[in-house]
Amino acid sequence: AQKITQTQPGMFVQEKEAVTLDCTYDTSDQSYGLFWYKQPSSGEMIFLIYQGSYDEQNATEGRYSLNFQKARKSANLVISASQLGDSAMYFCAMRESFNTGRRALTFGSGTRLQVQP
Amino acid sequence: DSGVTQTPKHLITATGQRVTLRCSPRSGDLSVYWYQQSLDQGLQFLIHYYNGEERAKGNILERFSAQQFPDLHSELNLSSLELGDSALYFCASSVGIATDTQYFGPGTRLTVL
Repeated sequence: AQKITQTQPGMFVQEKEAVTLDCTYDTSDQSYGLFWYKQPSSGEMIFLIYQGSYDEQNATEGRYSLNFQKARKSANLVISASQLGDSAMYFCAMRESFNTGRRALTFGSGTRLQVQP
Repeated sequence: DSGVTQTPKHLITATGQRVTLRCSPRSGDLSVYWYQQSLDQGLQFLIHYYNGEERAKGNILERFSAQQFPDLHSELNLSSLELGDSALYFCASSVGIATDTQYFGPGTRLTVL
């Protein structure tokens, strides 16, 4: 079974600094997808970034980048130049394998990021 | 705004009751997923529909059921509600079923008293 581990329940970062949120995953599949979502206090889930297991380059979306280390099975989210609006819960997720035919997401427990002025 | 809509936003009901949560996917999306977010279980996959057909089930209780209609909107029915069913219920949609990103609706917060 697939598993996502986020070991940092909470993180603090100063405004304008960069921060890395950790995510490790466990799967026996060769083909998989990794996602990061942001959940502000208002509750909605906002898609941030995606990395495919066969993508050779790390994914980037604006201030978000994904540090993908396949051999270590890690997919850390890097937020550069933190803003107050980045304060939220962040979830790492994996899409289930193509082999099983299931496309549901398995989520980690999340990391609560607080950006301090 | 993800383009996925969910109604109602909040729902308060009593134990033993039945409720229906509604989801409209993004225009053009054929897949609808339902997830439950609770304090003790985290985010869990419930069920997936693609173009009107059930594709996969997750940790969905027998008291819960869902369907996707010809216009692609979906409903999640929760019956014989228990206190432990209180949670945030998300609907997500994607274009297909292969490598597409799932976009989440704002969620329905269910409180069972």
